[in-house]
Amino acid sequence: DTAVSQTPKYLVTQMGNDKSIKCEQNLGHDTMYWYKQDSKKFLKIMFSYNNKELIINETVPNRFSPKSPDKAHLNLHINSLELGDSAVYFCASSQEGYEQFFGPGTRLTVL
Amino acid sequence: AQSVTQPDIHITVSEGASLELRCNYSYGATPYLFWYVQSPGQGLQLLLKYFSGDTLVQGIKGFEAEFKRSQSSFNLRKPSVHWSDAAEYFCAVGAATGRRALTFGSGTRLQVQP
Repeated sequence: DTAVSQTPKYLVTQMGNDKSIKCEQNLGHDTMYWYKQDSKKFLKIMFSYNNKELIINETVPNRFSPKSPDKAHLNLHINSLELGDSAVYFCASSQEGYEQFFGPGTRLTVL
Repeated sequence: AQSVTQPDIHITVSEGASLELRCNYSYGATPYLFWYVQSPGQGLQLLLKYFSGDTLVQGIKGFEAEFKRSQSSFNLRKPSVHWSDAAEYFCAVGAATGRRALTFGSGTRLQVQP
């Protein structure tokens, strides 16, 4: 009964490829997020969706595109992967502005 | 713009000793404040949160934190550290409405000596 799940946990790919990371929450929350954690462990918001509507879109390259098919899912698609995209990507969810619950993370390595 | 500062990058304490991790924030209104812990290779687990009310909040694993508005601080404390507490600790600030995303500090890595 995992609250926030992400797949895959590890993703190793070549530069220039396109990849997707999937996220699902079973908490009934109305808001979902994508965060990026860089090699220095710094966490930064990328996107946020509230009831399937994009409410935060930070300065992220256009190669990153979130998609929310329903309230429980928020996927992240990345086109033309670059070396600098290597990081850990965390999905999270919350009800309104209250505490966020994080998924286990997806470690993306671009070779 | 909101920001969070964790001045200690790395802290080492002996098992059984007390612990205090510092966190200072900058936010235009009353903030929502959080402490998360991340064990190696793991996701983030919420330790405790402050929304309003009592400024001393209790969390899981014996942690507590105190909100001090005058000092813009939300320091995390534990009276007796266990070896299993070794991890990365993140302070974060958020809001109830509007921009709900959390702004994180840079983290404090805690090492526990036997």
